[in-house]
Amino acid sequence: QKEVEQNSGPLSVPEGAIASLNCTYSDRGSQSFFWYRQYSGKSPELIMSIYSNGDKEDGRFTAQLNKASQYVSLLIRDSQPSDSATYLCAVEEGGGADGLTFGKGTHLIIQP
Amino acid sequence: GAVVSQHPSWVICKSGTSVKIECRSLDFQATTMFWYRQFPKQSLMLMATSNEGSKATYEQGVEKDKFLINHASLTLSTLTVTSAHPEDSSFYICSASSGAAATDTQYFGPGTRLTVL
Repeated sequence: QKEVEQNSGPLSVPEGAIASLNCTYSDRGSQSFFWYRQYSGKSPELIMSIYSNGDKEDGRFTAQLNKASQYVSLLIRDSQPSDSATYLCAVEEGGGADGLTFGKGTHLIIQP
Repeated sequence: GAVVSQHPSWVICKSGTSVKIECRSLDFQATTMFWYRQFPKQSLMLMATSNEGSKATYEQGVEKDKFLINHASLTLSTLTVTSAHPEDSSFYICSASSGAAATDTQYFGPGTRLTVL
């Protein structure tokens, strides 16, 4: 049984600070890792994808992957109230033909 | 680019009726489409994977005779919930992938909210 674990939160962060979201996964064979943002009642929106160990930066977002520790994280710099949402960590075992295993998500609240 | 649409966006039906949900990739050909379900305050759960022209692969615990999936073309997949019951009420979301490489991204549709009375 593939599992993806996230702290459900809520995680409350002051505006302008760094929000740090964490995720662990059980399947060592996983190759692809994703962070999605989901607003209430809406479909997930892809924020970042990462495939190899290390850091990947895209604007205010940085994804970090450590396959040895089976750990993925997402850092959001200069947090804005519009970043308030549920952040879903998703893992894919193989290629684009495999479905994603999602964590339950972390509810992030950015306090103005 | 990479837009996936779903229709309808919401539907209310009576218990015992069937409901069809369409998923379309608008600007790319999707070799594989996926159907997920999300109950309130839960995460997305993969229901099935479908490839154009072949039978869908269902996840454990998902009844294939209840959730009929047809992937007739590279841009269209349909999910039919047969004999729907209140416990089938959920947010159904499809996604589409253009390839099988590890770096091929899944693009999600906007979802269909099903309410069964």
